[in-house]
Amino acid sequence: AQKVTQAQTEISVVEKEDVTLDCVYETRDTTYYLFWYKQPPSGELVFLIRRNSFDEQNEISGRYSWNFQKSTSSFNFTITASQVVDSAVYFCALSGYSGNTPLVFGKGTRLSVIA
Amino acid sequence: GAVVSQHPSWVICKSGTSVKIECRSLDFQATTMFWYRQFPKQSLMLMATSNEGSKATYEQGVEKDKFLINHASLTLSTLTVTSAHPEDSSFYICSASGGRQGWYFGPGTRLTVL
Repeated sequence: AQKVTQAQTEISVVEKEDVTLDCVYETRDTTYYLFWYKQPPSGELVFLIRRNSFDEQNEISGRYSWNFQKSTSSFNFTITASQVVDSAVYFCALSGYSGNTPLVFGKGTRLSVIA
Repeated sequence: GAVVSQHPSWVICKSGTSVKIECRSLDFQATTMFWYRQFPKQSLMLMATSNEGSKATYEQGVEKDKFLINHASLTLSTLTVTSAHPEDSSFYICSASGGRQGWYFGPGTRLTVL
């Protein structure tokens, strides 16, 4: 069975601080995808990244960066120089490699960035 | 990126009535669609998986006779909440998959049952 654990329920930071959201996953699949989504108060999921299990290269996109470590089954997400607009719930998710397998979500981390 | 729409975006209904939610993939053929439910301050929980032309597969604990799913075409899936009760009030989100194209989520439908 697949499982995603986001141990941090809520995080509060002051604007311009860096913050890392942790994600640990469990799967028996040898190939899989990992995702991060942002969910603002409106509720609509905003796709941030998809990473396949073959690619352990870290990725940076603007103020966002992701650290994928297969050895520790972790896919952590860092926001650099946080802004108030980053306040949202962030979900880490895992899926099989086939498109007919669903995403399994972690419980989410609620990030509050205070001005 | 691909677009998935849901209609309605929100609905309020009386207890005992049925509500239908539509999920459409607007620019690709979705061989598989997924329905999730999200209660306040909780995560997305998978309710069911449907493949075009086949019966949906429901997750444990989800009543298939209460949550009717129809995936009649490669661009449309519907979720009907039958005899809705206040405890069915939730945020319902669909996801469409077109194989290797990936997974795309709809904007969600907020259901309130009075």
